[in-house]
Amino acid sequence: DQQVKQNSPSLSVQEGRISILNCDYTNSMFDYFLWYKKYPAEGPTFLISISSIKDKNEDGRFTVFLNKSAKHLSLHIVPSQPGDSAVYFCAAIRNQAGTALIFGKGTTLSVSS
Amino acid sequence: DVKVTQSSRYLVKRTGEKVFLECVQDMDHENMFWYRQDPGLGLRLIYFSYDVKMKEKGDIPEGYSVSREKKERFSLILESASTNQTSMYLCASSGRFRGGPADTQYFGPGTRLTVL
Repeated sequence: DQQVKQNSPSLSVQEGRISILNCDYTNSMFDYFLWYKKYPAEGPTFLISISSIKDKNEDGRFTVFLNKSAKHLSLHIVPSQPGDSAVYFCAAIRNQAGTALIFGKGTTLSVSS
Repeated sequence: DVKVTQSSRYLVKRTGEKVFLECVQDMDHENMFWYRQDPGLGLRLIYFSYDVKMKEKGDIPEGYSVSREKKERFSLILESASTNQTSMYLCASSGRFRGGPADTQYFGPGTRLTVL
């Protein structure tokens, strides 16, 4: 049973517009969430994270929102740029030791100029 | 900057061969991980390690084993490679959990393994 779900396999956005990537989770014990970006033939790179005690975290063009009651988080990219085109993975901390992440299946973002 | 390196970017092996994938990190991280990435399946955890000589099974450990003799090195072993192990293999490391950014996992570039 998938505990972290990214229901949209792909998203297409025009340059300069907002990209919104969504992620849902089922385990209420998750208390830390991360977003990773992955280009083809490279390893994922950490993008931004949020603790369950917060509902928003912002870093430049990237903002993550967490709605604990809905078990939902989203990544907003404003403005979107062609270099943002990549696969985005949502991940959650799985156990009390907090080391093993559970990843969603990823959303491929395409930003056209 | 954290650096995680993997011994090969591309590897081609034959069915039944023993395969070693090596991963080295230079940040003195306690935790190391092996994932595989397949289209439509995302990243799936194979094994992870909290410390030297410690290992824990992830979600898909069947057909794999691991070795962690030194803190900086974590090896993934395919005892007898099969075609369904053709995949992208990703190694990652992280510091000890403190409920903050130390949990962030840093990934290597990946090894694209093809088993013929």
